[in-house]
Amino acid sequence: EVQLAESGGGLVQPGGSLRLSCEVSGFTVSSNYMSWVRQAPGKGLEWVSIIYSSGNTNYADSVKGRFTISRHSSKNTLYLQMNSLRVEDTAVYHCARDHSSGWYDYWGQGTLVTVSS
Amino acid sequence: EIVMTQSPATLSVSPGERATLSCRASQSVNSNLAWYQHKPGQAPRLLISGASTRAAGTPARFSGSGSGTEFTLTISSLQSEDFAIYYCQQYDSWPTFGQGTKVEIK
Repeated sequence: EVQLAESGGGLVQPGGSLRLSCEVSGFTVSSNYMSWVRQAPGKGLEWVSIIYSSGNTNYADSVKGRFTISRHSSKNTLYLQMNSLRVEDTAVYHCARDHSSGWYDYWGQGTLVTVSS
Repeated sequence: EIVMTQSPATLSVSPGERATLSCRASQSVNSNLAWYQHKPGQAPRLLISGASTRAAGTPARFSGSGSGTEFTLTISSLQSEDFAIYYCQQYDSWPTFGQGTKVEIK
């Protein structure tokens, strides 16, 4: 059975940092494209970042230079390092497997990040 | 960025009735469109990809249609478990999502 479980969310002040984790079972993270997708309160879904099976990465303009996506093969875990956090980064962050054609076939339940003073 | 616009924002439907949800793209996305179902506190669930191909486990009462800029998700006979928020997503370029349509019990 495929499972994705996010953790690491919480309350942080503007300018602070958090690292989110996504523990995966049922498939190999490093053999797949993996993404982070977020949902701000009352808003729709927003793609944040992707890591390809090659290890290459990409980011939405809104987080470029501040967020870093990575993975740990032996732990089968995906990460999102978030620095210089802003109030507008407040959202539930979901990890998801990218089918490689561009849709997401497995998702986690998400972890809430709140950026507030 | 391709902007996805969903309508209506909220759809009130009685169980057993048909629901029709619309999604419009600001430019053509060909058939590179997916639909998701999302219930609060749960993981979003892929329903349809390629505008009309049901994902594994998606009941036959869900059908998708359209291409280019206009897409439709139809739920032929709403069941209690179908009341949720539905999102469309284009993947013709960098992925973008619609704002969602909430399907609620009438």
